[in-house]
Amino acid sequence: DIQMTQSPSSLSASVGDRVTITCRASQGISTYLNWYQQKPGRAPKLLIYAASSLHNGVPSRFSGSGSGTDFTLTITSLQPEDFATYYCQESYGTPPTYTFGQGTNLDIK
Amino acid sequence: EVQLVESGGGLVHPGGSLRLSCATSGFTFSTFWMYWVRQIPGKGPVWVSAINTDGSDTTYADSVKGRFTISRDNAKNTLSLQMNSLRAEDTAVYYCARGDFSVHDYWGQGTLVTVSS
Repeated sequence: DIQMTQSPSSLSASVGDRVTITCRASQGISTYLNWYQQKPGRAPKLLIYAASSLHNGVPSRFSGSGSGTDFTLTITSLQPEDFATYYCQESYGTPPTYTFGQGTNLDIK
Repeated sequence: EVQLVESGGGLVHPGGSLRLSCATSGFTFSTFWMYWVRQIPGKGPVWVSAINTDGSDTTYADSVKGRFTISRDNAKNTLSLQMNSLRAEDTAVYYCARGDFSVHDYWGQGTLVTVSS
């Protein structure tokens, strides 16, 4: 099974900061990598799919990159509504097992 | 507007059964893969099951294989999850989600399933 490891597990930042979250797959997954944002008590929301494509309506301050085993989610100029937990997810294989990372909790410094 | 609304969660004894439903609107249901994903509060999401557009192809996580059955009714725009032989470790919030083969692009608000004696 593919394992997804995110780092850091938690991160404190200020409004206006630039932050980067990384996700590493235990084997190569090409660009079959998605990023989700989740706020307490709410369902996850898709941010980035296929490693670098922005989902409809997602602000351009969010961006994704990477391929193979190493991926990053970058948020430029953090806004108050961006403080949340972020998950990566792989969708590689036939059929995929859609494994999620353990999450990165982004909170206000 | 894409909407997915889960129902059917609740408290059930170990070994019991529960059927979850997901009512959808705002998109052409029959053209999307559908998924169930669960999440223990405070933990990351875990994919449970997937079904293709016409229901002919279904897949399951190993942890639920043989106990859960995913199905869909394209005439009623509804997704279902029949859960049998429930265990304490099945306790979670269950989400339905829409997508293509490789991503879950819209999610419902979730329904809580608690398995406890």
